[in-house]
Amino acid sequence: EAQVTQNPRYLITVTGKKLTVTCSQNMNHEYMSWYRQDPGLGLRQIYYSMNVEVTDKGDVPEGYKVSRKEKRNFPLILESPSPNQTSLYFCASSYLRSGSWSQETQYFGPGTRLLVL
Amino acid sequence: QQQVKQSPQSLIVQKGGISIINCAYENTAFDYFPWYQQFPGKGPALLIAIRPDVSEKKEGRFTISFNKSAKQFSLHIMDSQPGDSATYFCAASIAGNQFYFGTGTSLTVIP
Repeated sequence: EAQVTQNPRYLITVTGKKLTVTCSQNMNHEYMSWYRQDPGLGLRQIYYSMNVEVTDKGDVPEGYKVSRKEKRNFPLILESPSPNQTSLYFCASSYLRSGSWSQETQYFGPGTRLLVL
Repeated sequence: QQQVKQSPQSLIVQKGGISIINCAYENTAFDYFPWYQQFPGKGPALLIAIRPDVSEKKEGRFTISFNKSAKQFSLHIMDSQPGDSATYFCAASIAGNQFYFGTGTSLTVIP
């Protein structure tokens, strides 16, 4: 089954304790992205990657790191989490745009709910 | 600063009615405008999308209307059903890499 998986699904941690949220896709997609979803703010893009070893900042990258060492994996790292990073996080993947008329469906994972105390 | 402004925040529609959600943007570099549907406890799922070269795209009961000069686009759900009750997000993308989402509309369809 084609899917994007995230782990863990729920996480409670304390301020300053480094954590990693994993994301994996089995569709051989080049493009992967991380978003956070907060009430009243919608989804905001944190980082995205167009291929292995190619990453770039989204709209709200502060406090986050990512890496793309393998095509299928795109972990999100919070080196020193703070309470304002309490949120619902989504990973997504898609093929790269192949032409001006192509439509790349972005597939989202089930989400990781993070609480930072 | 919200790059894509979405309204209304919530919407209640009778079964069989038309649901309309509106979005507006300023950045003329946006070249792809998708709509996502999200059910509670799930990730968003692509519903329908449009490029600025066309003014309308229809897929089943779902239609996007796009007004490039006004920098506005809207989602119309015809013959709304209780199963359409969900949160809808509009979005805009630059070159398929950077995505900016609206704040979401919670749709409730009453039987």
